Amino acid sequence: GAVVSQHPSRVICKSGTSVKIECRSLDFQATTMFWYRQFPKQSLMLMATSNEGSKATYEQGVEKDKFLINHASLTLSTLTVTSAHPEDSSFYICSARGAKRGVVDTQYFGPGTRLTVL
Amino acid sequence: QQQVKQSPQSLIVQKGGISIINCAYENTAFDYFPWYQQFPGKGPALLIAIRPDVSEKKEGRFTISFNKSAKQFSLHIMDSQPGDSATYFCAASSGSWGKLQFGAGTQVVVTP
Repeated sequence: GAVVSQHPSRVICKSGTSVKIECRSLDFQATTMFWYRQFPKQSLMLMATSNEGSKATYEQGVEKDKFLINHASLTLSTLTVTSAHPEDSSFYICSARGAKRGVVDTQYFGPGTRLTVL
Repeated sequence: QQQVKQSPQSLIVQKGGISIINCAYENTAFDYFPWYQQFPGKGPALLIAIRPDVSEKKEGRFTISFNKSAKQFSLHIMDSQPGDSATYFCAASSGSWGKLQFGAGTQVVVTP
């Protein structure tokens, strides 16, 4: 199967600090990775789309200077929440989509990262 | 504006019963319709997916029914088990590289 990992699974930080979340595709090459945010009992909200080697495309209303995305390789994307504030507390989930036959348009999700900003 | 409308918001079904979740869409360019299952504190897991060239797809106890003319698709969970208690999201996308548009989610509770 297609496995996506995220690290850390949960993080608590102080207001004003930056937090980096890693997303890795373990058994396939992900040409595209997505970052979502999910509030309790709500649906997934797409934040940005990143393709390997190019700049991320952010959804309307998402601050690109606050949520820095780097898709450095075909198996790794990172999301850095800069100068985090309590309102950034949320569940962040990445997904990966590969170019391998059979998974070209299927997104596989990571287990999520719970961010709490004090 | 949600491009995929999902109902019901929540569902309680007895063990052994059938859970039915419905989704509707307007964008006729959508050509890929996956369903995801999400447990509390976990990421969504792909359950089953369908394309418009078939009207039904079955995988184990899970079946997708697709009605292209009505622009609707549904998930049926047969012989529901307590372990099926989770939130289910339908989604849709267009083309091989389209973004997924998610429904609002349905919380399913299967009682023993």
